[in-house]
Order: sequence, then structure tokens, then C-alpha cells
Amino acid sequence: RKEVEQDPGPFNVPEGATVAFNCTYSNSASQSFFWYRQDCRKEPKLLMSVYSSGNEDGRFTAQLNRASQYISLLIRDSKLSDSATYLCAVLTGGGNKLTFGTGTQLKVEL
Amino acid sequence: DAGVTQSPTHLIKTRGQHVTLRCSPISGHKSVSWYQQVLGQGPQFIFQYYEKEERGRGNFPDRFSARQFPNYSSELNVNALLLGDSALYLCASNPGQGLYNEQFFGPGTRLTVL
Repeated sequence: RKEVEQDPGPFNVPEGATVAFNCTYSNSASQSFFWYRQDCRKEPKLLMSVYSSGNEDGRFTAQLNRASQYISLLIRDSKLSDSATYLCAVLTGGGNKLTFGTGTQLKVEL
Repeated sequence: DAGVTQSPTHLIKTRGQHVTLRCSPISGHKSVSWYQQVLGQGPQFIFQYYEKEERGRGNFPDRFSARQFPNYSSELNVNALLLGDSALYLCASNPGQGLYNEQFFGPGTRLTVL
């Protein structure tokens, strides 16, 4: 089993839709979780950090379920500019190592 | 404030050569991590350095090495390049160590091995 797993997509949604991505992790001792956004051929940019049960920032909501070992990212009122790959990352190794999923591709269409 | 900077942006090498990639962290950040990202995959952890000491190593062969300098900048060296080393090499910086440190990435160096 991979340490961090994501559905690769692509998720094709119309503008204004709500879309949710899930990410599962295998290390139950993991304590810090992150969502990054990556545009084509660019570096990952930090979108949200999740340290407790969840976090909300505008149209974006991240939730953590420790019992089931997954985190989710919800995007409301999708914009064309939200089209990107969303990477889930888990901090392990005492804070020394970020382990990423393969990323979920989102395409928002008119 | 300047973000993480990396050089060069692109590099083309042939098999067997070696390469040195450079990274300067965000001002005030003492920790630098290196990641390799191949097409269609998430970044894979290579090394972490904090206060000039190696604090973490991923599952990469000994051909990969790195170091951190007193000004907290870092170099990643790869010897005896293989075709499979072609990837985007990302450097990330964060203030220090600990479970609540967010890592911020530089633009990366795109390495092509022919």
C-alpha cells in the first residue's frame, strides 16, 4: 500500500460546481497534512495546512479524519482558474519528510 | 520578500555526467529539502538539511548527495547520471524542524538526461 494515495482524476466539472478530493494515508502517527496546488510545469504552491480536524479558507475547506486516515479538500463555486493538479502531502519522520500523493487533476469548464 | 530560488532553471546532460543544482531558501529559513518529481507523479523526498546537517534521507542511491552551507543555501549533486534521473528537481524551505513547519517550494530545475 502506498503511504499516500489519491484518485488521479481527471475531474472535469462545470464552473460553479462543488468538487471534493480525498486522500488516504497509511502512517497513523502522521500529524501534519497539507494540500498543494500545482499548475502545469510549475512548482507546488501551498494551498492549505491541516493540523487538527479541519481548516477553511474562502471557497476551500480541508477536513481530517484520523480514525479513517484520510483528508479531504472541498472546493465550492469552482472557477476556471482552479484548474490544476491538487497534491496531498503528509509530514512524517519527525517533521523531516513530506510524502506526496500522485495528485488529482481538476479541469473546470465553461 | 524573495521566495525560494533555484538555479539553473533547465539543464541538459548526457548519461554518466554529473550535475550540481543550487537552492537558496527564503530569508530566515534554516531548513532545506530536496525533492524529485517525474512526470505524472508527486514529488519524492530526497534529502532534508537543517543547520547544515542532514536530518532526513529518502530512498535514493548514493549517487545523490547534498550539502548545506553556512548561509543555509544548499547544493544537490547527482553523479553518473542515468536516463531515469530526468525530472523536475524541487527545493523547499521552511523555518526549522517540527511537525508544524510548512514547506515552500522553489520553481525547480528541470533536468533532462540524454
